[in-house]
Amino acid sequence: DSGVTQTPKHLITATGQRVTLRCSPRSGDLSVYWYQQSLDQGLQFLIQYYNGEERAKGNILERFSAQQFPDLHSELNLSSLELGDSALYFCASSPRTSGGEETQYFGPGTRLLVL
Amino acid sequence: AQSVAQPEDQVNVAEGNPLTVKCTYSVSGNPYLFWYVQYPNRGLQFLLKYITGDNLVKGSYGFEAEFNKSQTSFHLKKPSALVSDSALYFCAVRDTRYRNRLAFGKGNQVVVIP
Repeated sequence: DSGVTQTPKHLITATGQRVTLRCSPRSGDLSVYWYQQSLDQGLQFLIQYYNGEERAKGNILERFSAQQFPDLHSELNLSSLELGDSALYFCASSPRTSGGEETQYFGPGTRLLVL
Repeated sequence: AQSVAQPEDQVNVAEGNPLTVKCTYSVSGNPYLFWYVQYPNRGLQFLLKYITGDNLVKGSYGFEAEFNKSQTSFHLKKPSALVSDSALYFCAVRDTRYRNRLAFGKGNQVVVIP
């Protein structure tokens, strides 16, 4: 158990809908990262937050947004969902944002299925 | 752009035999390299990382990895494979532009045959 929690574990929804995925980082970690894992794209970095502020953006669609709250939990919002958004979404956390030598610890993921 | 390549889709090994999962990297500057393992229906678990220092890095569950700068490789190894090592293994490299994001390889499925 990494100490990173994600809810829900599974989510089934329809095209065009909006969902929110939630992540609680390890105790004391200030950085949160979101990744998407799909069969065709593999593991892709989406976005990073550090202590409430956006720090880095990857291959995140405009229909997707995220935020990190004062208690450091983070939410990933996916809207106007398409079939291709079906994937496993991971959250990871690390203590700081630094030179990149820190280990990122991953949560169990949220499996999203868009029908 | 920084990237890693995992050339084999699947690695089959008999239980008790040595296990090697290959990874090569392409980065500008000094590489920060990581190995993660993903068990079915689970998240990624950190195994080990190379930042600097000794080329042989020891990690969790008896795994180790050898950093080879001349061959730009970071192969994961275990002297004696267990059936419970059957999983998906990912090599990753830190992105030197966005220092805190990881670029992952496509993953290697390891099957340990009893």
